[in-house]
Amino acid sequence: TQLLEQSPQFLSIQEGENLTVYCNSSSVFSSLQWYRQEPGEGPVLLVTVVTGGEVKKLKRLTFQFGDARKDSSLHITAAQPGDTGLYLCATYQGAQKLVFGQGTRLTINP
Amino acid sequence: NAGVTQTPKFRILKIGQSMTLQCTQDMNHNYMYWYRQDPGMGLKLIYYSVGAGITDKGEVPNGYNVSRSTTEDFPLRLELAAPSQTSVYFCASSYWGPKGTGELFFGEGSRLTVL
Repeated sequence: TQLLEQSPQFLSIQEGENLTVYCNSSSVFSSLQWYRQEPGEGPVLLVTVVTGGEVKKLKRLTFQFGDARKDSSLHITAAQPGDTGLYLCATYQGAQKLVFGQGTRLTINP
Repeated sequence: NAGVTQTPKFRILKIGQSMTLQCTQDMNHNYMYWYRQDPGMGLKLIYYSVGAGITDKGEVPNGYNVSRSTTEDFPLRLELAAPSQTSVYFCASSYWGPKGTGELFFGEGSRLTVL
């Protein structure tokens, strides 16, 4: 059973459109991290959310942590080809093991 | 700064062969991790270490072994390679402490094919 469920698995949209991807669990998160991975590289941390209801912005990316800390979303405004990549959410199990969801593969077409 | 360095970047193994993936970090991080990533998928935790001399199993440890004799190095050993171990392997490190954020820093990956 996957601790973290990400949806959609694949998303292909046109440049300039908005999109939202999701990360859900039946468990309560102590915190949640979002990473982006580009082809041929390791993942890079985008943001960490800790408090229920928290909203963080990173330029055109908006991250939200659910009030109950069981879900999170990533919203991209006016998507650009440079946003293309694999978006992964991750959380700590037992304060030491970081486990990942299966990811959302995003393609932004020019 | 080198960060997390993995070698080799590419390797082809025959079924039944053994090999070691090397990982070293120069950030004085206490935590280190090995993940595998199958095509189009997320990362699965193989083993992790919270400090020199301490290792523990992750989600998919079967067929692998690790050791952590120093803070810097965390090699991953594959014994009796099987086609199911064909994957991209990522090593990562993080700092947990008073000012630690839990952010993982990843190497560039090692692509392993078992034929």
